[in-house]
Amino acid sequence: KAGVTQTPRYLIKTRGQQVTLSCSPISGHRSVSWYQQTPGQGLQFLFEYFSETQRNKGNFPGRFSGRQFSNSRSEMNVSTLELGDSALYLCASSLDGGNNQPQHFGDGTRLSIL
Amino acid sequence: GENVEQHPSTLSVQEGDSAVIKCTYSDSASNYFPWYKQELGKGPQLIIDIRSNVGEKKDQRIAVTLNKTAKHFSLHITETQPEDSAVYFCAATSTYSSASKIIFGSGTRLSIRP
Repeated sequence: KAGVTQTPRYLIKTRGQQVTLSCSPISGHRSVSWYQQTPGQGLQFLFEYFSETQRNKGNFPGRFSGRQFSNSRSEMNVSTLELGDSALYLCASSLDGGNNQPQHFGDGTRLSIL
Repeated sequence: GENVEQHPSTLSVQEGDSAVIKCTYSDSASNYFPWYKQELGKGPQLIIDIRSNVGEKKDQRIAVTLNKTAKHFSLHITETQPEDSAVYFCAATSTYSSASKIIFGSGTRLSIRP
């Protein structure tokens, strides 16, 4: 069974631009969560999607948004990029996100803002 | 708010010795505790997990213990090998309605000395 796939692996953008990251969950998994990982802040939860609906949200500004498609694939968008948005963005999937199911992570998209 | 404290932040042990990483959580509703290993350039990989109705779980050289009363849980790695070198994250998960909330510790960088 293929794991969680994130594309692209690396991205370089400049301040003010916007970016879209993609995540394909493990087949059969319907919950997709997004995290931001930085050396200073660790792993921080962005949001979770289930059945094309945002079910849970972390403490990030509205510049960070996402969506989920009917095949459970998810995209994350960041608008008006800032230098501080440079980070590794991780996607994780689970069967339905509830009842203490393990999350399975992709290898992330490393976003660098110049 | 809820948080998970993880110690130590760095740990260096001689190959063959044991390593112990400790975490403390604050949310008494937490009932699922996964541990992740993250190697350079990769996403976190689940290595072991424990649920709140269990005090200890073992998988070959890895074991996890949970003390619900004290809100402590620990990862134990015995007979360490060079491939155990990585960053390890603990996490605590709580379930509210149909959604889960997961909070990660800040990570422990484990180095195995040959």
